[in-house]
Amino acid sequence: AQTVTQSQPEMSVQEAETVTLSCTYDTSESDYYLFWYKQPPSRQMILVIRQEAYKQQNATENRFSVNFQKAAKSFSLKISDSQLGDAAMYFCACDGGSNYKLTFGKGTLLTVNP
Amino acid sequence: GAVVSQHPSWVICKSGTSVKIECRSLDFQATTMFWYRQFPKQSLMLMATSNEGSKATYEQGVEKDKFLINHASLTLSTLTVTSAHPEDSSFYICSAPSDSLGSYNEQFFGPGTRLTVL
Repeated sequence: AQTVTQSQPEMSVQEAETVTLSCTYDTSESDYYLFWYKQPPSRQMILVIRQEAYKQQNATENRFSVNFQKAAKSFSLKISDSQLGDAAMYFCACDGGSNYKLTFGKGTLLTVNP
Repeated sequence: GAVVSQHPSWVICKSGTSVKIECRSLDFQATTMFWYRQFPKQSLMLMATSNEGSKATYEQGVEKDKFLINHASLTLSTLTVTSAHPEDSSFYICSAPSDSLGSYNEQFFGPGTRLTVL
């Protein structure tokens, strides 16, 4: 069983600034994946970034990067140079390895101020 | 990336009727699909795992007789909400993992179906 906790229901950032969204998780699996998904008002789920638990190096995707602290079971998302289009609900998720089943956190609503 | 579609995108029905929602993987085969439910301003909650050629597996607390799942082919899974009631009104989302595309553990999500039961 897995649990994913996002402690920030809402966050706001000024355009062009940097923001960090927090996520902690718990899993009994030794091999697992962690994800950040974006859900804009259209409600289409969009994969932002993925981290394999066995990799020590933090994943990066353009302006998006993660700080993966395996021992602390922490998986935060950093958005650099925030853009208006980044405004959305962000969900942290954990995949329990081979069964593909995703457990989502409650989400963080990100507002980007012009 | 791979595309998953859902039909219909929005459905309104009367209480007591049944509603079928389709989830299709358009350009890849999916032996497994997942069905999620999302209430307004809440997270996605996994309802069940749809397995091609076998019975679906339901998460604890999900009524399998109310939410019928059929995975008839490698590209189609259906969710039927039977005898729908207003409390079944929600946003239903399906997803399929891309194991056949060589990108391990990436899942592709459908655009969702909004169900309103009057």
